[in-house]
Amino acid sequence: AQSVTQPDIHITVSEGASLELRCNYSYGATPYLFWYVQSPGQGLQLLLKYFSGDTLVQGIKGFEAEFKRSQSSFNLRKPSVHWSDAAEYFCAVYNFNKFYFGSGTKLNVKP
Amino acid sequence: DGGITQSPKYLFRKEGQNVTLSCEQNLNHDAMYWYRQDPGQGLRLIYYSQIVNDFQKGDIAEGYSVSREKKESFPLTVTSAQKNPTAFYLCASSMGTSVSWEQYFGPGTRLTVT
Repeated sequence: AQSVTQPDIHITVSEGASLELRCNYSYGATPYLFWYVQSPGQGLQLLLKYFSGDTLVQGIKGFEAEFKRSQSSFNLRKPSVHWSDAAEYFCAVYNFNKFYFGSGTKLNVKP
Repeated sequence: DGGITQSPKYLFRKEGQNVTLSCEQNLNHDAMYWYRQDPGQGLRLIYYSQIVNDFQKGDIAEGYSVSREKKESFPLTVTSAQKNPTAFYLCASSMGTSVSWEQYFGPGTRLTVT
């Protein structure tokens, strides 16, 4: 069965510092992978997605993610975090009409 | 502006009562979804609908029911059979259920049952 693991429940970074959020997936075939962001009390917004091809994908708000098949990972990165990036981030995998979400990582940004 | 509306934002009910959560979209999307979100558990799919008058169970459909009589509306009823109904409920829609179609999410309804 497919599953998504986000090992970090909370992460705190200083404004201007770099960020990496981890995501590992369990899936037999080539995965379709996504990162979403959720502001408090709001719905989710798509940051980026990976279907195939170039393993480094660019998204909105300056985020990027790298697909590494050998490590079953799809980590999200940002070179310089802004205070407005404080939110919860979800990794997801798609399989047959359904999305399977990780448990999320809450990002706090220190001034 | 096109988007997804969920109402109300907060909902309180007594245990044993059925409650219906509203989801409306004006994006002309064929597919609609209901997710449940609990702290530390991410989103779990309750039901989804690919077309009017058709819907399928997701991973946690027990204690819930849906209808899809109109393209723009996909209400979710939380029945008294749902053991732990208190949660944040998110509705989403997309052009179709293919992976190439992005899901757009509503702002959610927080349901508290006491």
